Amino acid sequence: EAGVTQFPSHSVIEKGQTVTLRCDPISGHDNLYWYRRVMGKEIKFLLHFVKESKQDESGMPNNRFLAERTGGTYSTLKVQPAELEDSGVYFCASSLGGQGDTEAFFGQGTRLTVV
Amino acid sequence: QKEVEQDPGPLSVPEGAIVSLNCTYSNSAFQYFMWYRQYSRKGPELLMYTYSSGNKEDGRFTAQVDKSSKYISLFIRDSQPSDSATYLCGSGSARQLTFGSGTQLTVLP
Repeated sequence: EAGVTQFPSHSVIEKGQTVTLRCDPISGHDNLYWYRRVMGKEIKFLLHFVKESKQDESGMPNNRFLAERTGGTYSTLKVQPAELEDSGVYFCASSLGGQGDTEAFFGQGTRLTVV
Repeated sequence: QKEVEQDPGPLSVPEGAIVSLNCTYSNSAFQYFMWYRQYSRKGPELLMYTYSSGNKEDGRFTAQVDKSSKYISLFIRDSQPSDSATYLCGSGSARQLTFGSGTQLTVLP
């Protein structure tokens, strides 16, 4: 069974440009999460989807970040316009959901570099 | 103050050594605790999971939580070079994980 897949694995863009990251969760997982790790910091939660609905977006840093999950399958995270401080590794994770939902399965991450 | 504090290392040990990795946390509401392992250029993968205080053993790995002191530990017995990775402690459920910064471990053959 395929794990969580993220595209691209690495993106280098100029400040002010737009970048869209994609995540394909494990098939059948209703819950999808975005996390990110900026240089020297810990991995931090960004937001949580249950199917196509945003359950918790308390970790989104500002309105330059827009996450969508149309149809409750794959998700995209758009950064527009990108700033230097947005550089880091963006992880997507998914989980099955339901009571006792404890394990989130992570993708390999997208390394974003804003220059 | 960070909610989960973790010594970033790096930590180097010889093969066969016992490794002790530790974290402290500040939020008394935390109930679930976990250790994730992250190999280079890969995403974190769940290694151990515990609920509330106590010990949990899985092969060479033992996770320990002491809620009275807000201390989380991971012990690795008979460490192997394949254990070389970054170990992330954390708390929360799958719905929102709070991670420490990670400890980079190298087990030397």
